[in-house]
Amino acid sequence: AQTVTQSQPEMSVQEAETVTLSCTYDTSESDYYLFWYKQPPSRQMILVIRQEAYKQQNATENRFSVNFQKAAKSFSLKISDSQLGDAAMYFCAYGVGWGDMRFGAGTRLTVKP
Amino acid sequence: KAGVTQTPRYLIKTRGQQVTLSCSPISGHRSVSWYQQTPGQGLQFLFEYFSETQRNKGNFPGRFSGRQFSNSRSEMNVSTLELGDSALYLCASTGRIDREANTEAFFGQGTRLTVV
Repeated sequence: AQTVTQSQPEMSVQEAETVTLSCTYDTSESDYYLFWYKQPPSRQMILVIRQEAYKQQNATENRFSVNFQKAAKSFSLKISDSQLGDAAMYFCAYGVGWGDMRFGAGTRLTVKP
Repeated sequence: KAGVTQTPRYLIKTRGQQVTLSCSPISGHRSVSWYQQTPGQGLQFLFEYFSETQRNKGNFPGRFSGRQFSNSRSEMNVSTLELGDSALYLCASTGRIDREANTEAFFGQGTRLTVV
């Protein structure tokens, strides 16, 4: 069964600093997708970044980048130049297919001014 | 382009009742997925519909059911409500029709269901 583990329930970062959120997953598949979603107090899940497992190059979206280690089944999210608006719950997710995503328990990120 | 719309936003029901939640996907999107989010279990996949057919289903009891209409709008029904059904119910839509439909999923703001 595919499982996703986020070992950091809470993280804190100073505004303008860099923070890394950790995620590990378990799967026997060789081709799959990984995601980081952000859920602010408004509750809407917002896609931050996604990574196709067959791509060796780490995905990057502006201040957000991932460190994808396929052999280690690790998928961490790095947020550079943290902003107050980055404060939210962050969920790591694995795409099983046909609309099914497995989510980690989430990491609550606090950004201090 | 309007986003995914879920109605109602909040709902309070009594144990034993049934409830229907609605999800209108982004225009042109034909796949709709439903998730349950609770503090204890986190986010769990309920089911996915495409072209009025359920293509995939999570591990939930038969009290949870859904359907999709020809305009791609989807409804989720929970019968014989239990206290444990209190949760945020999220739906997501995607314009992709293949197996990797979830790679471009857009979520609604959810319906907060409270069972008393």
